[in-house]
Amino acid sequence: QVQLVQSGAEVKKPGSSVRVSCKASGGTFSSYAISWVRQAPGQGLEWMGGIIPIFGTPNYAQKFQGRVTITADKSTSTAYMEVSSLRSEDTAVYYCARGKITQGPFDFWGQGALVTVSS
Amino acid sequence: DIQMTQSPSTLSASVGDRVTITCRASQSINSWLAWYQQKPGKAPNLLIYKASSLESGVPSRFSGSGSGTEFTLTISSLQPDDFATYYCQQYNSYCNFGQGTKVQIK
Repeated sequence: QVQLVQSGAEVKKPGSSVRVSCKASGGTFSSYAISWVRQAPGQGLEWMGGIIPIFGTPNYAQKFQGRVTITADKSTSTAYMEVSSLRSEDTAVYYCARGKITQGPFDFWGQGALVTVSS
Repeated sequence: DIQMTQSPSTLSASVGDRVTITCRASQSINSWLAWYQQKPGKAPNLLIYKASSLESGVPSRFSGSGSGTEFTLTISSLQPDDFATYYCQQYNSYCNFGQGTKVQIK
């Protein structure tokens, strides 16, 4: 069974960066897409971007272009998502999710990682 | 950017009711639409993909229909486990989610 296990909760200062990891097991990591979706408290789902590890080139939602970096390490079956220049509005649960393409649909999800941005 | 609009935002229903949620796209997305269920504190769970294909393991009381710009998710007989928030998602061009529909107990 496919599992995506994410890193833990983080508390960050405004202006800093955060990196969240997503380790996959039970499936073929390289040939599926890993995407990142965030959810602010009490709000809906927002797609940030994704990567297909076998190709290595990420794509991003326009809103996050330049401030988000998505990478993947095939040797450890782990994807990473880094957000820079954090602001309070970035406080959210960040999910990784698997799909055949980066846009979805997403059949397996990580448990989520809460990132809190606060001074 | 393709905008996805769900209606209603909140729906009150009873166990056994037939429930329908609508999702409209701002432009045609063909059949590239998925539906998810999310419960508080949990990740979303894929129910339907390609507008009407049932994901493996999802109960057959869930069904999806539509193409182009208008789509529906139907729960034929609402069960206690179905009280949750439902999201549509287009994946025709990048990815966008609807704002969600909360199904609550009447």
